[in-house]
Amino acid sequence: QSALTQPPSASGSPGQSVTISCTGTSSDIGDYKYVSWYQQHPGKAPKLMIYEVSKRPSGVPDRFSGSKSGNTASLTVSGLQVEDEADYYCSSYANSLVFGGGTKLTVL
Amino acid sequence: EVQLVESGGGLVQPGRSLRLSCAASGFTFDDYAMHWVRQAPGKGLEWVSGISWKSGSIGYADSVKGRFIISRDKAKNSLYLQMNSLRAEDTALYYCAKGKGFHAFDIWGQGTMVTVSS
Repeated sequence: QSALTQPPSASGSPGQSVTISCTGTSSDIGDYKYVSWYQQHPGKAPKLMIYEVSKRPSGVPDRFSGSKSGNTASLTVSGLQVEDEADYYCSSYANSLVFGGGTKLTVL
Repeated sequence: EVQLVESGGGLVQPGRSLRLSCAASGFTFDDYAMHWVRQAPGKGLEWVSGISWKSGSIGYADSVKGRFIISRDKAKNSLYLQMNSLRAEDTALYYCAKGKGFHAFDIWGQGTMVTVSS
């Protein structure tokens, strides 16, 4: 159950796009279509933003999109807004569930 | 309103036990998988355990396997986590989460803090 690998930080200016990567192995991301992304603001519970690689739950803006290529999944936030500044975590199924270490997104 | 409310956290000595509870409301509890996810202070998320909609499938992280037991009570719309042989590294905020399938978590509680220390 090794953790997935995310960059510790990412940043962008309002209106720009930013992509956060999540790298796993052929045993998790590479083998399953069960990648999820969560947004967590300080002191708050996480919020589901993307599930099954690219599906958005009701209420999540379409500025958030997900994709996968090989063993790496990506979350793209387009048209960055100040309120997008938060920690983002990826998760994948691999006979159990595993998270990435998290990426702190800063909106400059 | 869909809601999850955790309880049962606190300060406990190493080696002792603690039982967490999660009260669910606003949805048909028995139709969904449920999970426990924890977050150590200043750290990332860690999946702890999950139980399928009729308890037919249960999973644990390697770090808690053999020490923690997950269960659910349909009549009480509640999820539980029995934590035995607690260690300092179990110190964390424990979230209850509703499963979207068995592979994602679409509703989260606010968490209950567990501190393992002598």
